Amino acid sequence: DQQVKQNSPSLSVQEGRISILNCDYTNSMFDYFLWYKKYPAEGPTFLISISSIKDKNEDGRFTVFLNKSAKHLSLHIVPSQPGDSAVYFCAASLMYSGGGADGLTFGKGTHLIIQP
Amino acid sequence: ETGVTQTPRHLVMGMTNKKSLKCEQHLGHNAMYWYKQSAKKPLELMFVYSLEERVENNSVPSRFSPECPNSSHLFLHLHTLQPEDSALYLCASSSNAGDTQYFGPGTRLTVL
Repeated sequence: DQQVKQNSPSLSVQEGRISILNCDYTNSMFDYFLWYKKYPAEGPTFLISISSIKDKNEDGRFTVFLNKSAKHLSLHIVPSQPGDSAVYFCAASLMYSGGGADGLTFGKGTHLIIQP
Repeated sequence: ETGVTQTPRHLVMGMTNKKSLKCEQHLGHNAMYWYKQSAKKPLELMFVYSLEERVENNSVPSRFSPECPNSSHLFLHLHTLQPEDSALYLCASSSNAGDTQYFGPGTRLTVL
C-alpha cells in the first residue's frame, strides 16, 4: 500500500513553460513534505520542502503548494529549463509528530523532460 | 569535500561473498539512513541511526547488517545476498531524525 503516490511516470514540457508535478498521499499524519531531484547515477538532491502549517513555499523558480484537505501537493517550476530534465521524487515524513525516525516515505518519481 | 560520500560506487558480488558498503557524512548531522532503490519501485527505507543508535527495521532480511561506529560513518555489511538484492543503495543524513535528508551518490550493487 503506497502512502505517497506520483501517478504520472513522465511529463514532457516545452522550455520556458511551467512544469507542474503532482503528488498525493494517504497518511493524514504526515506533516513535512519534500521534493527531490535525481539525475541518472546520482543520489537524490533536495529541492524544496514545506511543513503542514503552510500551503505554499517558494524558492526561486520552484514553488511547492500543499492542499491538506485533498492530501495533495504539487511542485511548480517556472520557467522550465533544459537542466530541469530529471526524475522528481515527492517525499513525506512525520517530522513534527515525533515519528521522524521512520525516515522519508517516497513516491515512485516523475520523469520530467524539458523539450527545447 | 562533498556532503555525503559513498564507496564503492559500483560493486559486483557473488551470492557467497561478504562485502561492505561505506557512507561518510561531513555535515555534522546526527542521523543517518540506508535506502534501497530497485527498478520501478520507490526508495525503500532500510535502516535509521539517530545519535548512533539504531532504529529497528524488522522488514529488512538479516543478510543486511548495518553498523554505525560514530555519527559520521555508516556501513552496510552484506553476506549471502540474492540476485533480487541487486539495486542502488543510497545513504542519507539529516541534522536530526525527520529533518531534511541529504543523499550520497549511491552504490550500484549487482549480485550474480
